[in-house]
Amino acid sequence: DAKTTQPTSMDCAEGRAANLPCNHSTISGNEYVYWYRQIHSQGPQYIIHGLKNNETNEMASLIITEDRKSSTLILPHATLRDTAVYYCIVRVHTSYDKVIFGPGTSLSVIP
Amino acid sequence: SAVISQKPSRDICQRGTSLTIQCQVDSQVTMMFWYRQQPGQSLTLIATANQGSEATYESGFVIDKFPISRPNLTFSTLTVSNMSPEDSSIYLCSVESLGGNSYEQYFGPGTRLTVT
Repeated sequence: DAKTTQPTSMDCAEGRAANLPCNHSTISGNEYVYWYRQIHSQGPQYIIHGLKNNETNEMASLIITEDRKSSTLILPHATLRDTAVYYCIVRVHTSYDKVIFGPGTSLSVIP
Repeated sequence: SAVISQKPSRDICQRGTSLTIQCQVDSQVTMMFWYRQQPGQSLTLIATANQGSEATYESGFVIDKFPISRPNLTFSTLTVSNMSPEDSSIYLCSVESLGGNSYEQYFGPGTRLTVT
């Protein structure tokens, strides 16, 4: 079973920030939080990851709570092309840790 | 990053037949993964394919149904054997790229299989 829980779906107005929550209350000290997204009819795409500090890249920001039991992916200015299923995954940094996908959050960006 | 191609991109097959899906990566990778995504569902890991060793299958998947080859560090195949309509899915190849402080996975575009 996936180690994370996410809302099934969310809507966001175009141009506004999209905040996607993820609960990972059983996360271990050596597990990282990864985010991927899957645009319709494409393979999943890596977005961002973090351990305990907040992270930002050209695509998004990742905010991890101090107790590491939850996190939020932020798309600062959502566009229609951000409509996708977003997956939150926890994993350790070894080549032998299986990446298990939960059901994810279906984000719809509305004009 | 890694660029992954899959062949075929889609196919329609009759029940009882088999289909082999090819996955080609533009760089050498140690770990390759095969996933299945049934209509409207998330991705399910089928197996992990390491070069030079037998693939490791997840619970619910067996080698007789989904034989995998991994002849070198840039190529793998997945065969869906004795197909039934329940095998209609998107099959995705994935590789892991190690860089700095990151274990990013890259995915191919998928093979959309319809079994009639």
